[in-house]
Amino acid sequence: SFELTQPPSVSAAPGQTASITCGGDNIGRQSVHWYQQKPGQAPVLVVYDDSERPSGIAERFSGSNSGNTATLTISRVEAGDEADYYCQVWDSVSDHRVFGGGTNLAVL
Amino acid sequence: QVQLQESGPGLVKPAETLSLTCTVSGGSLSTYYWSWVRQPPGKGLEWIGYIYNSGTTTYNPSLKSRVTISVHAAKNQFSLRLSSVSAADTAVYYCAREYGGNARFDNWGPGTLVTVSS
Repeated sequence: SFELTQPPSVSAAPGQTASITCGGDNIGRQSVHWYQQKPGQAPVLVVYDDSERPSGIAERFSGSNSGNTATLTISRVEAGDEADYYCQVWDSVSDHRVFGGGTNLAVL
Repeated sequence: QVQLQESGPGLVKPAETLSLTCTVSGGSLSTYYWSWVRQPPGKGLEWIGYIYNSGTTTYNPSLKSRVTISVHAAKNQFSLRLSSVSAADTAVYYCAREYGGNARFDNWGPGTLVTVSS
């Protein structure tokens, strides 16, 4: 089954840009979705199909995907962005849904 | 706006069967994929499996031998059964709706903690 690799943690100062990567074999050929999860809460979809934003998600959240790496970029980071972030794909060969291991974003 | 709510026992004994139900309100079960996802304490998300429409299912191979997902259309509910549980199955269990051709989870229940302990 497809495997996704994320760094365990990333940090950014308020106002700066945070980038969270999601690695996988030719992941650029997949559509990648990103979720934000705050402590004690269910995940929330923040980017889908690589770079699309659901209604209600701030424009500060953006995504890209090419080659072996997908990236979630959070511009002008705020304290409220501190959370765990997960990437996810649909493995069309197996029809399985696969999550990355998650990245904790710390806002310094 | 569709809403999902998990329900079921919060404590299950080792070797027994975990049973959870997800009640969907504000929308129909038909034409969507409905999944279960779990998260052990302090760990990441793990997809368990989905059920679609009239009962087509696909499961995570790591759990396939122990998992059954079923639909109760008249009650607008779908359910999870996980047999022969152990402490490793202790987790927050989420139900979620999939949307779109690339299986994104656009709606989640709040989750329910299930602890496996004697």
